[in-house]
Amino acid sequence: QKEVEQNSGPLSVPEGAIASLNCTYSDRGSQSFFWYRQYSGKSPELIMFIYSNGDKEDGRFTAQLNKASQYVSLLIRDSQPSDSATYLCAVRGGNNRKLIWGLGTSLAVNP
Amino acid sequence: EPEVTQTPSHQVTQMGQEVILRCVPISNHLYFYWYRQILGQKVEFLVSFYNNEISEKSEIFDDQFSVERPDGSNFTLKIRSTKLEDSAMYFCASRGTNSNQPQHFGDGTRLSIL
Repeated sequence: QKEVEQNSGPLSVPEGAIASLNCTYSDRGSQSFFWYRQYSGKSPELIMFIYSNGDKEDGRFTAQLNKASQYVSLLIRDSQPSDSATYLCAVRGGNNRKLIWGLGTSLAVNP
Repeated sequence: EPEVTQTPSHQVTQMGQEVILRCVPISNHLYFYWYRQILGQKVEFLVSFYNNEISEKSEIFDDQFSVERPDGSNFTLKIRSTKLEDSAMYFCASRGTNSNQPQHFGDGTRLSIL
Protein backbone atom coordinates (compact mmCIF):
# COMPACT_ATOMS: atom_id res chain seq x y z
CA GLN A 1 0.00 0.00 0.00
CA LYS A 2 1.55 3.25 -1.14
CA GLU A 3 1.32 5.86 1.60
CA VAL A 4 1.88 9.54 2.12
CA GLU A 5 2.30 10.63 5.71
CA GLN A 6 1.98 14.07 7.25
CA ASN A 7 1.83 15.29 10.82
CA SER A 8 -1.80 16.31 11.24
CA GLY A 9 -0.91 19.18 13.59
CA PRO A 10 -2.18 21.67 14.39
CA LEU A 11 1.01 23.58 13.73
CA SER A 12 0.80 27.00 15.30
CA VAL A 13 3.22 29.81 14.37
CA PRO A 14 3.21 33.54 15.05
CA GLU A 15 2.66 35.98 12.21
CA GLY A 16 5.91 36.70 10.37
CA ALA A 17 7.55 33.40 11.37
CA ILE A 18 8.60 30.53 9.12
CA ALA A 19 6.20 27.60 8.97
CA SER A 20 7.74 24.23 8.10
CA LEU A 21 5.51 21.45 6.82
CA ASN A 22 6.78 17.94 6.25
CA CYS A 23 5.72 14.92 4.24
CA THR A 24 7.13 11.44 3.78
CA TYR A 25 6.15 8.89 1.14
CA SER A 26 6.62 5.18 0.79
CA ASP A 27 6.87 4.64 -2.98
CA ARG A 28 10.49 5.03 -4.09
CA GLY A 29 9.34 5.27 -7.70
CA SER A 30 7.40 8.47 -7.06
CA GLN A 31 8.08 11.13 -9.67
CA SER A 32 6.19 14.30 -8.86
CA PHE A 33 5.32 15.99 -5.61
CA PHE A 34 2.66 18.58 -4.98
CA TRP A 35 1.62 20.86 -2.16
CA TYR A 36 -1.99 21.97 -2.07
CA ARG A 37 -3.68 24.31 0.36
CA GLN A 38 -7.24 23.58 1.45
CA TYR A 39 -9.46 25.93 3.37
CA SER A 40 -12.31 24.36 5.30
CA GLY A 41 -15.09 23.26 2.96
CA LYS A 42 -13.14 24.30 -0.13
CA SER A 43 -11.26 22.43 -2.84
CA PRO A 44 -7.48 21.87 -2.85
CA GLU A 45 -5.58 24.79 -4.36
CA LEU A 46 -2.15 24.18 -5.86
CA ILE A 47 0.69 25.94 -4.03
CA MET A 48 3.78 24.34 -5.55
CA PHE A 49 5.07 21.26 -7.28
CA ILE A 50 8.55 19.80 -7.50
CA TYR A 51 10.09 16.78 -9.18
CA SER A 52 13.85 17.28 -8.89
CA ASN A 53 15.93 16.91 -5.75
CA GLY A 54 16.71 20.18 -4.04
CA ASP A 55 14.83 23.39 -3.43
CA LYS A 56 12.28 25.24 -5.50
CA GLU A 57 11.24 28.75 -4.50
CA ASP A 58 8.14 30.71 -5.45
CA GLY A 59 7.59 33.92 -3.55
CA ARG A 60 7.20 33.14 0.15
CA PHE A 61 7.06 29.40 -0.51
CA THR A 62 9.94 26.95 -0.84
CA ALA A 63 9.49 23.26 -1.60
CA GLN A 64 12.33 20.91 -0.72
CA LEU A 65 12.67 17.39 -2.08
CA ASN A 66 14.99 14.62 -0.94
CA LYS A 67 14.26 11.45 -2.88
CA ALA A 68 16.90 9.41 -1.05
CA SER A 69 15.11 10.10 2.24
CA GLN A 70 11.66 10.02 0.61
CA TYR A 71 10.89 13.36 2.12
CA VAL A 72 9.33 16.54 0.80
CA SER A 73 8.75 19.73 2.74
CA LEU A 74 7.15 23.13 2.32
CA LEU A 75 8.50 26.26 3.98
CA ILE A 76 6.33 29.36 4.26
CA ARG A 77 8.28 32.50 5.05
CA ASP A 78 6.74 35.58 6.65
CA SER A 79 3.61 33.60 7.56
CA GLN A 80 0.34 35.51 7.39
CA PRO A 81 -2.98 34.80 9.11
CA SER A 82 -4.41 34.15 5.63
CA ASP A 83 -2.00 31.19 5.34
CA SER A 84 -4.03 29.42 8.04
CA ALA A 85 -5.37 26.33 6.30
CA THR A 86 -4.73 22.62 5.86
CA TYR A 87 -1.74 21.83 3.67
CA LEU A 88 -2.00 18.64 1.66
CA CYS A 89 0.96 16.74 0.27
CA ALA A 90 0.24 14.70 -2.85
CA VAL A 91 2.57 12.32 -4.64
CA ARG A 92 2.39 10.82 -8.12
CA GLY A 93 4.03 7.45 -8.64
CA GLY A 94 6.22 6.45 -11.53
CA ASN A 95 3.74 4.35 -13.47
CA ASN A 96 0.59 5.82 -12.04
CA ARG A 97 -1.19 8.93 -13.07
CA LYS A 98 -3.18 9.18 -9.87
CA LEU A 99 -2.16 11.25 -6.89
CA ILE A 100 -1.72 9.68 -3.47
CA TRP A 101 -2.65 12.14 -0.75
CA GLY A 102 -1.60 12.74 2.81
CA LEU A 103 -4.18 13.61 5.45
CA GLY A 104 -2.86 17.16 5.62
CA THR A 105 -1.28 19.39 8.24
CA SER A 106 -3.41 22.06 9.82
CA LEU A 107 -1.54 25.38 10.08
CA ALA A 108 -2.64 28.24 12.31
CA VAL A 109 -0.84 31.58 11.95
CA ASN A 110 -1.53 33.73 14.96
CA PRO A 111 -1.63 37.55 14.61
CA GLU B 1 -7.09 32.24 -15.67
CA PRO B 2 -8.89 29.13 -16.96
CA GLU B 3 -10.50 26.99 -14.29
CA VAL B 4 -12.32 23.73 -13.74
CA THR B 5 -16.02 24.28 -13.05
CA GLN B 6 -18.33 21.87 -11.25
CA THR B 7 -22.08 21.78 -10.88
CA PRO B 8 -24.05 21.65 -8.73
CA SER B 9 -22.21 23.01 -5.72
CA HIS B 10 -24.49 21.03 -3.39
CA GLN B 11 -26.64 18.02 -4.21
CA VAL B 12 -29.07 16.44 -1.75
CA THR B 13 -30.42 13.05 -2.80
CA GLN B 14 -32.45 10.25 -1.27
CA MET B 15 -30.62 6.98 -0.69
CA GLY B 16 -31.02 4.65 -3.65
CA GLN B 17 -31.44 7.44 -6.18
CA GLU B 18 -29.12 8.11 -9.08
CA VAL B 19 -27.02 11.24 -9.10
CA ILE B 20 -24.92 12.87 -11.83
CA LEU B 21 -22.14 15.27 -10.95
CA ARG B 22 -20.92 17.52 -13.72
CA CYS B 23 -17.55 19.01 -14.51
CA VAL B 24 -16.15 21.21 -17.25
CA PRO B 25 -12.36 20.71 -17.32
CA ILE B 26 -9.92 23.34 -18.53
CA SER B 27 -10.35 23.47 -22.30
CA ASN B 28 -6.93 22.31 -23.52
CA HIS B 29 -6.50 19.63 -20.85
CA LEU B 30 -6.65 15.97 -21.84
CA TYR B 31 -6.50 14.12 -18.51
CA PHE B 32 -9.49 14.17 -16.19
CA TYR B 33 -9.98 12.91 -12.67
CA TRP B 34 -12.58 12.45 -10.00
CA TYR B 35 -11.70 12.46 -6.31
CA ARG B 36 -13.80 12.40 -3.21
CA GLN B 37 -13.21 13.61 0.33
CA ILE B 38 -15.34 12.41 3.19
CA LEU B 39 -15.53 15.01 5.96
CA GLY B 40 -12.33 14.98 8.02
CA GLN B 41 -10.65 12.35 5.87
CA LYS B 42 -8.08 12.21 3.10
CA VAL B 43 -8.71 13.11 -0.49
CA GLU B 44 -9.28 9.77 -2.24
CA PHE B 45 -8.70 9.00 -5.91
CA LEU B 46 -11.69 7.56 -7.74
CA VAL B 47 -10.90 7.46 -11.45
CA SER B 48 -8.78 8.93 -14.21
CA PHE B 49 -9.92 9.35 -17.80
CA TYR B 50 -7.96 9.91 -20.98
CA ASN B 51 -8.71 9.56 -24.66
CA ASN B 52 -12.36 8.74 -23.96
CA GLU B 53 -11.67 5.84 -21.67
CA ILE B 54 -10.88 5.09 -18.07
CA SER B 55 -7.12 4.85 -17.59
CA GLU B 56 -7.13 3.96 -13.91
CA LYS B 57 -9.67 3.46 -11.15
CA SER B 58 -9.57 2.76 -7.44
CA GLU B 59 -11.30 0.04 -5.47
CA ILE B 60 -13.87 2.64 -4.43
CA PHE B 61 -14.96 3.00 -8.06
CA ASP B 62 -17.19 -0.06 -8.20
CA ASP B 63 -20.06 -0.92 -10.53
CA GLN B 64 -22.22 1.80 -8.97
CA PHE B 65 -19.96 4.45 -10.47
CA SER B 66 -19.48 5.46 -14.06
CA VAL B 67 -17.89 8.35 -15.92
CA GLU B 68 -18.64 9.83 -19.28
CA ARG B 69 -17.51 12.58 -21.58
CA PRO B 70 -20.77 13.12 -23.45
CA ASP B 71 -19.48 16.02 -25.53
CA GLY B 72 -16.31 18.03 -26.04
CA SER B 73 -16.54 19.92 -22.80
CA ASN B 74 -18.38 18.03 -20.05
CA PHE B 75 -17.06 15.23 -17.87
CA THR B 76 -19.60 13.53 -15.63
CA LEU B 77 -19.60 11.16 -12.69
CA LYS B 78 -22.72 9.04 -12.19
CA ILE B 79 -23.56 7.15 -9.04
CA ARG B 80 -26.29 4.69 -9.91
CA SER B 81 -27.83 3.83 -6.56
CA THR B 82 -26.52 6.10 -3.85
CA LYS B 83 -25.71 4.93 -0.33
CA LEU B 84 -25.36 6.92 2.86
CA GLU B 85 -21.60 6.43 2.76
CA ASP B 86 -21.41 8.19 -0.61
CA SER B 87 -21.92 11.47 1.22
CA ALA B 88 -18.75 13.47 0.58
CA MET B 89 -17.21 16.30 -1.38
CA TYR B 90 -16.52 15.24 -4.94
CA PHE B 91 -13.76 17.03 -6.78
CA CYS B 92 -13.07 17.04 -10.49
CA ALA B 93 -9.55 17.80 -11.70
CA SER B 94 -7.79 18.11 -15.03
CA ARG B 95 -4.26 18.49 -16.27
CA GLY B 96 -2.34 19.05 -19.47
CA THR B 97 -0.29 16.61 -21.50
CA ASN B 98 2.99 16.75 -19.57
CA SER B 99 2.86 14.08 -16.88
CA ASN B 100 4.69 16.33 -14.41
CA GLN B 101 2.10 19.05 -14.70
CA PRO B 102 -0.15 19.60 -11.70
CA GLN B 103 -3.81 18.79 -11.58
CA HIS B 104 -6.17 21.72 -11.24
CA PHE B 105 -9.27 21.24 -9.14
CA GLY B 106 -12.80 22.49 -9.39
CA ASP B 107 -14.61 23.89 -6.36
CA GLY B 108 -16.29 20.55 -5.71
CA THR B 109 -19.80 19.24 -5.29
CA ARG B 110 -21.01 18.50 -1.79
CA LEU B 111 -23.15 15.36 -2.04
CA SER B 112 -25.49 14.66 0.86
CA ILE B 113 -27.37 11.35 0.88
CA LEU B 114 -30.43 11.20 3.12
